[in-house]
Amino acid sequence: QSALTQPASVSGSPGQSITISCTGTSSDVGGYNFVSWYQQHPGKAPKLMIYDVSNRPSGVSNRFSGSKSGNSASLTISGLQAEDEADYYCSSYTSSSTLGPYVFGTGTKVTVL
Amino acid sequence: EVQLVESGGGLVQPGGSLRLSCAASGFTFSSYAMSWVRQAPGKGLEWVSGISYSGTSTYFADSVKGRCTISRDNSKNTLYLQMNSLRAEDTAVYYCAKDVSAARGLDHWGQGTLVTVSS
Repeated sequence: QSALTQPASVSGSPGQSITISCTGTSSDVGGYNFVSWYQQHPGKAPKLMIYDVSNRPSGVSNRFSGSKSGNSASLTISGLQAEDEADYYCSSYTSSSTLGPYVFGTGTKVTVL
Repeated sequence: EVQLVESGGGLVQPGGSLRLSCAASGFTFSSYAMSWVRQAPGKGLEWVSGISYSGTSTYFADSVKGRCTISRDNSKNTLYLQMNSLRAEDTAVYYCAKDVSAARGLDHWGQGTLVTVSS
């Protein structure tokens, strides 16, 4: 199964909003509302930021929001802060093979200018 | 507090075997599906394997199918990944992760254990 497609990098100034896209197919992103997003700082384990397309786990800032349209999902970070500089990965449930269930995105490096 | 602690990583020669373990605490382990996710040096995340809460259903990525076995001991709150016929491309940090439920996301992750396959 192929990885979901994300831009390699996105940048923004403090206080701005940025959006990271995640493109899949009808067998994953487009077919199910099971898209999740993860934040990973260097040398650290990933942290769940969004699940079920737009739900935030307890403790995650409401500056993070998720959405989906067709075969693409998006993560928006509003009020960008220095601590948001990290790698971000999307993931989705996939039915593209019997070997599922998760497929990850290629990852996006967010830089706070 | 949910804790996942991996162990068992290390240096192994190509063709060798390793068994990774993940000790879980702070939640009802037997009620949740679990996954292994790996990250090669400088690369992105790759889902490797998953197992249902009861252990009756297992899933593998194409890259490891036939070479890996996933299992769990719910009496010991421990998840395992047996890796055989290891290749250089299996070199990665291996994370265990807890499912939110029904493949909706992975809400807790361990700190990872490094597997290096090299002669």
